[in-house]
Order: sequence, then structure tokens, then C-alpha cells
Amino acid sequence: AQKITQTQPGMFVQEKEAVTLDCTYDTSDPSYGLFWYKQPSSGEMIFLIYQGSYDQQNATEGRYSLNFQKARKSANLVISASQLGDSAMYFCAMKQGTGNQFYFGTGTSLTVIP
Amino acid sequence: KAGVTQTPRYLIKTRGQQVTLSCSPISGHRSVSWYQQTPGQGLQFLFEYFSETQRNKGNFPGRFSGRQFSNSRSEMNVSTLELGDSALYLCASSFLLAGGTDTQYFGPGTRLTVL
Repeated sequence: AQKITQTQPGMFVQEKEAVTLDCTYDTSDPSYGLFWYKQPSSGEMIFLIYQGSYDQQNATEGRYSLNFQKARKSANLVISASQLGDSAMYFCAMKQGTGNQFYFGTGTSLTVIP
Repeated sequence: KAGVTQTPRYLIKTRGQQVTLSCSPISGHRSVSWYQQTPGQGLQFLFEYFSETQRNKGNFPGRFSGRQFSNSRSEMNVSTLELGDSALYLCASSFLLAGGTDTQYFGPGTRLTVL
């Protein structure tokens, strides 16, 4: 079974608008972490934001915020005031248990339209 | 601080050959993980090394191996290359976030093409 599901293969957003990228996860471990990464065409994965399973508040990092709904097992990424440089692939990932094995979703390709 | 570095950035090999990829983590990071990224399978975890010991291993055949040195640098080796091994190989090193959860910082990757 997929541990991380991203149902939007591609998304378009107008420059300066906000966009939400969806992510749902599956785990029975009470302790886990959720991450979002951006991958531009150059290939490097850039860490954006992190949410821990015990965190009471949604994580925010500049223009990025994570809409964490634990009961629904969703961790959507919200990008406010989109910029042309935001065009990239976005991956949701989860870490659970010990060690550093991350499970990644299939990604969402975001295109920002001027 | 310098980021994660990977060498070489691009590599072309033929079937049956072997290849070694190198990764230098961010200074002070002791955990190094490797991932394979392909259009068909997405990002898949290969293995993780921590303090020179393999701590976790993904579901890959024994042709894929790795090691970590005392300075935390890591190498990944693929023997008897197959066409399906063509992929972007990403290395990530771990940094302890506040709250006790490691996040991973990735290098630029090595793009391997097997002909």
C-alpha cells in the first residue's frame, strides 16, 4: 500500500495567487514526520517544510505553510503569492520510526503562469 | 556551510559494467541516505548509513551496495549494470531539527545512463 499519495500530477496557478498541493499519508505509527520538498528541473531536492505528528500547530516557513489534518491523514502544502520560480516538482514525504528512511509520493508538477 | 556534494554529476556506462558514486554530506552530519529516482518508480530508498554502519536498507538487489567512511563520506556501488539502473541517484544527509526529527538535505544527484 502506498504510504504517501499525491493525487495531482500537474497543477497550474496564476502568478501571485495561492495554491494548495494535496498529500495524504498512511501509517499506524503514532510518531512520524511529514516533509515537503521542491525539485526544480536541475534535479536537486530542496527541503521546504516539516510537520511532526505531535505538533499542535501547522508549520509555516515563509510563503509555505502546511495544512495538517491528523484525523484525515492529510498534509497539504499551501504556497502563497506564487512566483515564477515556484515552477517545479513538489514531493511530499514521510519518515516513521527509527532511522532515516523517507517514503515519497509521486510528486505534483506545479507551473506558475505569468 | 557547504551543501551535500555528489560526484560525478553525469555518468554513462554500458550493461555489465560497474559504477561507484560518491557523496560528501554536510559537515557534521553523520547519516547519509541514498535514493534512486526514475520516471516509472519515482523516488525509492536504497539504504542509509550512520557512523559507518548500514542502518536501513530498501528493497533493492544485492548488486546495489554502499559504504560510509569515518569522515561520513559515502560511496554507492552498482555492479553488473542493467538498462533499468538508468536513473538519478540522490544522496541526502541528515540534520537534526528541533523536536528530535531528522530532516534530509539532498545533493544535486548523479545522473547515470546505462547503454
